[in-house]
Amino acid sequence: AQSVTQPDIHITVSEGASLELRCNYSYGATPYLFWYVQSPGQGLQLLLKYFSGDTLVQGIKGFEAEFKRSQSSFNLRKPSVHWSDAAEYFCAVNNNNDMRFGAGTRLTVKP
Amino acid sequence: GAVVSQHPSWVICKSGTSVKIECRSLDFQATTMFWYRQFPKQSLMLMATSNEGSKATYEQGVEKDKFLINHASLTLSTLTVTSAHPEDSSFYICSAPTHGYTFGSGTRLTVV
Repeated sequence: AQSVTQPDIHITVSEGASLELRCNYSYGATPYLFWYVQSPGQGLQLLLKYFSGDTLVQGIKGFEAEFKRSQSSFNLRKPSVHWSDAAEYFCAVNNNNDMRFGAGTRLTVKP
Repeated sequence: GAVVSQHPSWVICKSGTSVKIECRSLDFQATTMFWYRQFPKQSLMLMATSNEGSKATYEQGVEKDKFLINHASLTLSTLTVTSAHPEDSSFYICSAPTHGYTFGSGTRLTVV
């Protein structure tokens, strides 16, 4: 069955530390891949997306993600986290217009 | 960039009444709109897909008669929660498949 897995429900990092949020997918072919961020009570904001080409994708707010076909992964990274990055992060996969979301990872940033 | 405007942001209604949620594409035409439901601290669940000029497609388990979806024009899709009950309380979000899927800001529905 097609699925999107975000193994970490909650991650806490110190401000200024690096961050990596994991995402794995299970699809027959390479789907389109997305990362979104959601602040409480808000909609989702697109951070970055991968359709094809360079497997390292740059997004907004200093985020990047790397697509690794061999691992079926699309992990999100940021070199130095800011307090304003505290939010819920969703990985999403689109295969033939069928959009599926991971369960989300809640990021807490310690001062 | 593409913007989807969703209204209202929050609504409180009494049990048994109906509530309409609107999503408008402001600077592009959306022939398709996805409607999601999100429970607290959970991911988004696709409820249905609206298509301009045709009937909406509902996901398995979603009551068509309770969640009425209408795609009136290329810029407007609506979700009406009919005969609302407290268990319908949730966060509802729409999304248009453009520019990496553009989301509305969501509607917090509370049924009392």
